[in-house]
Order: sequence, then structure tokens, then C-alpha cells
Amino acid sequence: ETGVTQSPTHLIKTRGQQVTLRCSSQSGHNTVSWYQQALGQGPQFIFQYYREEENGRGNFPPRFSGLQFPNYSSELNVNALELDDSALYLCASYRVEAKETQYFGPGTRLLVL
Amino acid sequence: GDSVTQMEGPVTLSEEAFLTINCTYTATGYPSLFWYVQYPGEGLQLLLKATKADDKGSNKGFEATYRKETTSFHLEKGSVQVSDSAVYFCAPGNTGGFKTIFGAGTRLFVKA
Repeated sequence: ETGVTQSPTHLIKTRGQQVTLRCSSQSGHNTVSWYQQALGQGPQFIFQYYREEENGRGNFPPRFSGLQFPNYSSELNVNALELDDSALYLCASYRVEAKETQYFGPGTRLLVL
Repeated sequence: GDSVTQMEGPVTLSEEAFLTINCTYTATGYPSLFWYVQYPGEGLQLLLKATKADDKGSNKGFEATYRKETTSFHLEKGSVQVSDSAVYFCAPGNTGGFKTIFGAGTRLFVKA
């Protein structure tokens, strides 16, 4: 097991609602990335945060936004939920200075009805 | 843009059979290459990695060699076990995972 934790583990929302997912990075890690994994597919990069700033973004609309806090934990917010947002959301953390590999959390499974 | 092509699954093998999962990629620059494994209901775990040409990553009996000339990183294991049943993802990217591109995944079933 890695030291990356995510909450909640499962979530059900309805179309048009907003959702916040949380990620606690492994101790000593200062960078968090978020990924969306649709059923039967590989994860897709949403964005990355480093020292509380967005450090890069994949091909996702602005209604996907995030935050990183001083303790390096992170939130993913999704507004105006659509049915296609149903997926497993993964976060991963690492420490830039250590140039090591990212470690993934167990994910939050979101179902939009 | 960058992309990854993985062998389509599912792959079904008997215990102790030899495993190969093919992976080829296109990428700008000189990426590191990773194989991740996802067990049912879980997140991703790093299985092995290679950071430069001709490097061989290995872990738990799995191996993959970074072939720059063929832009490939095929995963192999000499003798699979039932516990290896999972989905395997090939992924070129930088060490920290910035904009890591994942393949679609290859599901492996190992029968006793």
C-alpha cells in the first residue's frame, strides 16, 4: 500500500450537481496529479498541482478544477456534472526534488445519474 | 501527440504459462517507461520502470526492456500465477508522472 489516501471511496450524484473529491499525498510529497479512469479504459491526466499552483492540465474543460493546500493535500472539484463524468478518479503524488515515481491512491468511484 | 498502443485483451493463460503483453508508444523527447498493474477494485500500482534505452525493469518476476529503436516496452513473465490476474497498463511519461499517457490496459486472466 502507498501512503496516498482518497475520500470518499464511492459517491453517487445527479446530473448538474457539483462534487468535491479529496486526496492526501504521501508524507514528504509536494506534487499531486489527478486522473480520470472511465470503465474499461486507461487513466487520463486531468491536471497536476505543485506547491499550490496548477502545473499542467490535460484535455478537460474548466468545470474540472482543483486546489492544493499548504500540507500538499488536494481537492478535485467538478461542476455541472454530466453522465460521462462517471468514472474512477485517481490521485497520485510524488516529490519533485527526489525525482521519484508517483504513487497512486485507491481512487474515488463517482457515479452520475 | 503522444500515444500508447497495447495488446488488446483479455489474455487468458493457464498457470505457469509464459506471458507477453506488447506495448509500443510514440512520444516527443525521451520518456521514462512504466508498467502499472491494477487489481480488481483497486488503484494503480507501479510494477516496473525503465528510464533510458536498453534499461531492463524487473519486479515480481515481470520484466520489460526499453527498446528505443522500436519504441517498445513489452512486458514478459516466464511463469504466471493465478494471483497475477489483473489489468496491466503501459505508460510513457516523466518520472513524476506529469501528463503520463496510459494505454487502454490489457486484462489478464490466469486459470489454475
